[in-house]
Amino acid sequence: NAGVTQTPKFRVLKTGQSMTLLCAQDMNHEYMYWYRQDPGMGLRLIHYSVGEGTTAKGEVPDGYNVSRLKKQNFLLGLESAAPSQTSVYFCATNGGSGEKLFFGSGTQLSVL
Amino acid sequence: GENVEQHPSTLSVQEGDSAVIKCTYSDSASNYFPWYKQELGKGPQLIIDIRSNVGEKKDQRIAVTLNKTAKHFSLHITETQPEDSAVYFCAATPYYGQNFVFGPGTRLSVLP
Repeated sequence: NAGVTQTPKFRVLKTGQSMTLLCAQDMNHEYMYWYRQDPGMGLRLIHYSVGEGTTAKGEVPDGYNVSRLKKQNFLLGLESAAPSQTSVYFCATNGGSGEKLFFGSGTQLSVL
Repeated sequence: GENVEQHPSTLSVQEGDSAVIKCTYSDSASNYFPWYKQELGKGPQLIIDIRSNVGEKKDQRIAVTLNKTAKHFSLHITETQPEDSAVYFCAATPYYGQNFVFGPGTRLSVLP
């Protein structure tokens, strides 16, 4: 029972390159989230999903796209990476509104 | 929308002393207030949470208090130990929403 698994753990990109971050959960949770963490700014919501086939924008969605084709997976895509997207990215899941939130271990992304 | 402030940003205490971290929120609709501990290189881990129908909750050396009228809640750690050293985040969320709004974090250092 792994909980919430993120891949990759580290990645270095050049400006303009694209990549996809994968989040997989085995908790049978409906809701999944992508956050970014920057120094002194806490965690900010990028996109989220309340169920398979659904996605919605969070606080800082620009430059990112997401897909939730399967209940257990939530993908975060960067089509054309920019240095401003250098950050640590966390996936999280919970069973519904106001329920306990569980995080993955994070992906450290550097865009040069 | 919701705004969460957290103080102090850094806190150093001697081993065995108590530590208190305070958060304020702005949206009176928020009714769920979790606290997360993040160790270096890891994802945030839920340590305690409280709902708005409760004023205080305790779990061994950790306690959380909530003052709905003043819109603030606090984390109390007693008999601190070196392994309590980490970054702590508070968050607030309304029962109807999907977004957990996080405070900027407090770096706690417990000195032996």
